[in-house]
Amino acid sequence: AQKVTQAQTEISVVEKEDVTLDCVYETRDTTYYLFWYKQPPSGELVFLIRRNSFDEQNEISGRYSWNFQKSTSSFNFTITASQVVDSAVYFCAFVSSSNTGKLIFGQGTTLQVKP
Amino acid sequence: ETGVTQTPRHLVMGMTNKKSLKCEQHLGHNAMYWYKQSAKKPLELMFVYNFKEQTENNSVPSRFSPECPNSSHLFLHLHTLQPEDSALYLCASSQEGRSGVTDTQYFGPGTRLTVL
Repeated sequence: AQKVTQAQTEISVVEKEDVTLDCVYETRDTTYYLFWYKQPPSGELVFLIRRNSFDEQNEISGRYSWNFQKSTSSFNFTITASQVVDSAVYFCAFVSSSNTGKLIFGQGTTLQVKP
Repeated sequence: ETGVTQTPRHLVMGMTNKKSLKCEQHLGHNAMYWYKQSAKKPLELMFVYNFKEQTENNSVPSRFSPECPNSSHLFLHLHTLQPEDSALYLCASSQEGRSGVTDTQYFGPGTRLTVL
């Protein structure tokens, strides 16, 4: 079975704190893709990053960074120096090359950044 | 218009009404999707259209009827809905290769549907 688990339902931090959102996935496939999306209160899912299973290099984009570890089947997302505008629901998602187009989403983590 | 657009953004309907949700993508993609997002539940894939052909119907009740007249437009026709169908309906598009390479799905802003 293929599954994505985001164990943290809600996280609350104070502005400028660093925060890590966890994502664990399950699959027996060797070729797959992992994603993170942000859903602000407006409702639209905003694409943040995509990684394929053969690229374990960590990535940094401004205050955002992602840690992909195949050994633990994890794809964690860290926001450095959080800001109020980062408040949103964040979704981790997975798709296997054998199941093209069928994104599997985690339950989502609601992040609240307080001023 | 850019990206993926959806209309209407909000819809309130009675159980006996018939309405349609519209999605349009301006990204030149060949695959489009309908998702349902209910409170406290993960996003659920409803339908997939690839090269205008429906390739997935994820056990969705027949009161939801999709239509994809071309690769840029996707509709979801609604009739005799139930209150539990109230949710955010999201449309997405991507560029899928016939060889199975999967691309990123880009989402619209969604239609917030309330069934009375």
